[in-house]
Amino acid sequence: QVQLVESGGGVVQPGGSLRLSCAASGFTFSSYGMHWVRQAPGKGLEWVAFIRYDGSNKYYADSVKGRFTISRDNSKNTLYLQMNSLRAEDTAVYYCAKVMSSTSCPQWWGQGTLVTVSS
Amino acid sequence: EIVMTQSPATLSVSPGERATLSCRASQSVSSNLAWYQQKPGQAPRLLIYGASTRATGIPARFSGSGSGTEFTLTISSLQSEDFAVYYCQQYNNWPPVTFGGGTKVEIK
Repeated sequence: QVQLVESGGGVVQPGGSLRLSCAASGFTFSSYGMHWVRQAPGKGLEWVAFIRYDGSNKYYADSVKGRFTISRDNSKNTLYLQMNSLRAEDTAVYYCAKVMSSTSCPQWWGQGTLVTVSS
Repeated sequence: EIVMTQSPATLSVSPGERATLSCRASQSVSSNLAWYQQKPGQAPRLLIYGASTRATGIPARFSGSGSGTEFTLTISSLQSEDFAVYYCQQYNNWPPVTFGGGTKVEIK
């Protein structure tokens, strides 16, 4: 079955950097687009970024554009989110999600990794 | 950016009763609308996509309807495991993918 396991979260100071990973299994990773979605403590869901199955196109929320970079390594079945210039408002649980075939609809979600930006 | 608005914010329902959740889009999203269920400490789970198609393994008591800008998620007879937060999300005009603010279904 589909498994998505995020890692790399932790506590970082404002202005710092962190790289999140999402290890995928149970499906042909190289055939599906992937999202990152975050959820601040006690808040709703916020889309962060998307990458096409082959990495050819990437899209970002305005709130992270220029600071975050989404990438993937299809040989390692792994999705990444490089986060730079972190701010307190980036504090959230970050989820990776696999899309449904032929759509951009997030279908399967990982359990998330918590990023805390605090001095 | 398409804004998704859910109502009510909180819905108090007794077990066995029917629950009706609403989602409105600021402009048409055709039928490219999904519903998710999220329980405390868990990831969201896809319930409905294409406005009305149940995802794999989702019980028949969950149904979705609507198109364009008005959508409804109905839970026909609430079970104890259905008390959770529900989000709608459009994937028609993106980026960005946008989510509603959520409806919390709580025990009355």
